[in-house]
Amino acid sequence: VVMTQSPLSLPVTLGQPASISCKSSQSLVHGDGNTYLNWFQQRPGQSPRRLIYKVSNRDSGVPDRFNGSGSASDFTLKISRVEAEDVGLYYCMQGTHWPPYTFGQGTKLEIK
Amino acid sequence: QMQLQESGPGLVKPSQTLSLTCTVSGGSIRSGDYYWSWLRQPPGRGLEWIGFMSYSGGTYNNPSLESRLTISLDTSKNQFSLKLNFVTVADTAVYYCARVKGLSLPNDGFDIWGQGTLVTVSS
Repeated sequence: VVMTQSPLSLPVTLGQPASISCKSSQSLVHGDGNTYLNWFQQRPGQSPRRLIYKVSNRDSGVPDRFNGSGSASDFTLKISRVEAEDVGLYYCMQGTHWPPYTFGQGTKLEIK
Repeated sequence: QMQLQESGPGLVKPSQTLSLTCTVSGGSIRSGDYYWSWLRQPPGRGLEWIGFMSYSGGTYNNPSLESRLTISLDTSKNQFSLKLNFVTVADTAVYYCARVKGLSLPNDGFDIWGQGTLVTVSS
């Protein structure tokens, strides 16, 4: 399954919203009724950190300004108000059609 | 809070075997509720899942790497390991170990990651 993110580069003004799109080449709805779509954040020089699982469930400690949405093959990660600590790469990942798990190319969020 | 830490040689010659270890602290790999995973990220590129293994012995690998790949657990040291045979320059990457919580398949993927270690394949 190919995961395609857009944009690949996202300059954002502090305090403004940001939105990242992730589209899959097949529907990610599994036969068990779940949709296994995750979002990860990778800050500069750090390892990835899972933000969102099953489309819209935030991990513990993730600020509520991060929200995941979408269905089938079209998903979005939205940041309501970008802060300086949000700079980095963002990846979507599908776990429905595995092996293998597959990731998007990554979106680089930077501050204008 | 469980933590993971990769270790191993930073330089491997082409055609040789890449060997890495992940040490788990703050919990036991004998717990039956996790898959112990490896992923990698070539310089400037995206993430690739390599494979994972549970304490009960279930092992799942990326089909593109399976013929060269061994993942194993060492419960006496609370570690798990990756061996990748016949490496080429294309195997140069930052290698991460990670945890998957729960043994259901499919699952919610990788919730805890190590810091990563760069392995360069070069003569």
